[in-house]
Amino acid sequence: DAGITQSPRYKITETGRQVTLMCHQTWSHSYMFWYRQDLGHGLRLIYYSAAADITDKGEVPDGYVVSRSKTENFPLTLESATRSQTSVYFCASTERGFSYNEQFFGPGTRLTVL
Amino acid sequence: AQSVTQPDIHITVSEGASLELRCNYSYGATPYLFWYVQSPGQGLQLLLKYFSGDTLVQGIKGFEAEFKRSQSSFNLRKPSVHGSDAAEYFCAVGAGNTGKLIFGQGTTLQVKP
Repeated sequence: DAGITQSPRYKITETGRQVTLMCHQTWSHSYMFWYRQDLGHGLRLIYYSAAADITDKGEVPDGYVVSRSKTENFPLTLESATRSQTSVYFCASTERGFSYNEQFFGPGTRLTVL
Repeated sequence: AQSVTQPDIHITVSEGASLELRCNYSYGATPYLFWYVQSPGQGLQLLLKYFSGDTLVQGIKGFEAEFKRSQSSFNLRKPSVHGSDAAEYFCAVGAGNTGKLIFGQGTTLQVKP
């Protein structure tokens, strides 16, 4: 299917476990982003990537790791999950790194850390 | 620092009534501004965007927004709301030449039948 997909859509895990959230886009967009959505905070940027093998921190990167070995994939790993990482995570992509470019969003992953 | 403020966390309007959602931004240069909508359980969808030219921007689903530089505002409007408009609405500003967006806290719209 064309577009941007995320998996899993729902995940429950325990404190201290490693969790990887997957993001895949079929447009060959250069830029990809990970956001978390929390009540009262809107969406906050965790990490972003300008191209394969190029990543950079966003506003709230602590506790997260990303990689981008292929243009179409941008996995987000929580190395040791904490309750404060319970959130809804959105992946997005855009063709170029221009401020006027629209970002396209995936459907989100709802993560619960017990 | 760049920031976006949506003063209204929650708004309730009756079906058929007009709607205005407020958005204020702080940005040093010419801002690129966006409104996104998030339906329950869904990702975000772009409603409209402003980056130059006419300050009144038309979007999808009958929405429009007006950029007012003097007030640092980019308010979203719709003349007649439908029940299907119930959703969360996010205002965002493009941040620099990285494609990053800075989002407001969001406004939840409830529509009364």
